[in-house]
Amino acid sequence: EAAVTQSPRNKVTVTGGNVTLSCRQTNSHNYMYWYRQDTGHGLRLIHYSYGAGNLQIGDVPDGYKATRTTQEDFFLLLELASPSQTSLYFCASSLTGLNYAEQFFGPGTRLTVL
Amino acid sequence: GDSVTQTEGLVTLTEGLPVMLNCTYQSTYSPFLFWYVQHLNEAPKLLLKSFTDNKRPEHQGFHATLHKSSSSFHLQKSSAQLSDSALYYCALSDPGAGAKLTFGGGTRLTVRP
Repeated sequence: EAAVTQSPRNKVTVTGGNVTLSCRQTNSHNYMYWYRQDTGHGLRLIHYSYGAGNLQIGDVPDGYKATRTTQEDFFLLLELASPSQTSLYFCASSLTGLNYAEQFFGPGTRLTVL
Repeated sequence: GDSVTQTEGLVTLTEGLPVMLNCTYQSTYSPFLFWYVQHLNEAPKLLLKSFTDNKRPEHQGFHATLHKSSSSFHLQKSSAQLSDSALYYCALSDPGAGAKLTFGGGTRLTVRP
């Protein structure tokens, strides 16, 4: 089974702060994703990537940047954090971008912006 | 654009009773449909997904049938267990949208003794 890890698991910052969330997958998957999870909204896609150096825009990208440095590592950057970005963030990966491909999720990072 | 609707935010059942969680969708193309399950303090994981050949997917006693005429992919189980308590997400993947999954708002299922 795919191994996806995230760090930190919990993060508290202040409005205007700079935050980087990290994700690593060790199963040689090509695709990686960042989601945010909010009650009533489900999981919403922020950004995704199909390889090192690639970035694709998701459905709720405003206020977020992302960078895929290697096949294994995908980072989510909040350069001016706002309270509306308080959420549970999940990283996921899939072997392919084919639309029946299973996505494997990491354990999540809970971010609080005060 | 694509959308997935799960009408029940919360479902509470007694152990042993049947489970049915609703999922309807809107999509331009013929999408693949998925059910993901998330137990408390865990990551979401795939429960089952639709097949291209209209076979009914089943896993851990759960099954779902894709009805294209009504754009539905309801999740069912004949007898609920305490361990089924979790958050369930219906999701679709649109052939025209590449690797993107669109999730519904989720249904939290609580099974009581």
